Amino acid sequence: KAGVTQTPRYLIKTRGQQVTLSCSPISGHRSVSWYQQTPGQGLQFLFEYFSETQRNKGNFPGRFSGRQFSNSRSEMNVSTLELGDSALYLCASSFSGNEQFFGPGTRLTVL
Amino acid sequence: AQSVTQLGSHVSVSEGALVLLRCNYSSSVPPYLFWYVQYPNQGLQLLLKYTTGATLVKGINGFEAEFKKSETSFHLTKPSAHMSDAAEYFCAVSDEGTGNQFYFGTGTSLTVIP
Repeated sequence: KAGVTQTPRYLIKTRGQQVTLSCSPISGHRSVSWYQQTPGQGLQFLFEYFSETQRNKGNFPGRFSGRQFSNSRSEMNVSTLELGDSALYLCASSFSGNEQFFGPGTRLTVL
Repeated sequence: AQSVTQLGSHVSVSEGALVLLRCNYSSSVPPYLFWYVQYPNQGLQLLLKYTTGATLVKGINGFEAEFKKSETSFHLTKPSAHMSDAAEYFCAVSDEGTGNQFYFGTGTSLTVIP
């Protein structure tokens, strides 16, 4: 089976712009979770989608949003980018909930 | 609420020495416990997991961890460190009561000294 894929792998944006990141889960996985990883804050949970519905949500401002499509692919969007949004964004998919498989991440740099 | 504490953000060991990375968790229901490893500029890779059954869990690359309910711990060990073990290690907990949401520790950076 192909693993979790994330596109793009690297992204450079300027403050105030918006960005959309994409995640394709492992075939058959219906749950997709998103995390933000920074050196200072570690791994922080953004949200989880299951069957096109947001099931869990972390403590991030409304500028961070996501969605999931009927084929389980997920996108996350960050509007009005700030310098502090520079991070590695990780996507993870899950079938049964007792294991998450991670993608390689998207490295976002905000200038 | 669930939480994970990893003691020691940086651990250094000599090549061939024992690796011990500590993880304590809090969970109101029987937990699922995980150790992940992350190499530079990569995603997280599962090392091992505990869901039910045997409390001593063996994972990839010679790592193992023991679930100790009385101590709420899930420490990761490896008898003999190898240079290739240098990486960031994350402990995580989830349980059915949270809709299987994962909670991660802050990570431990392992350095292996030749």
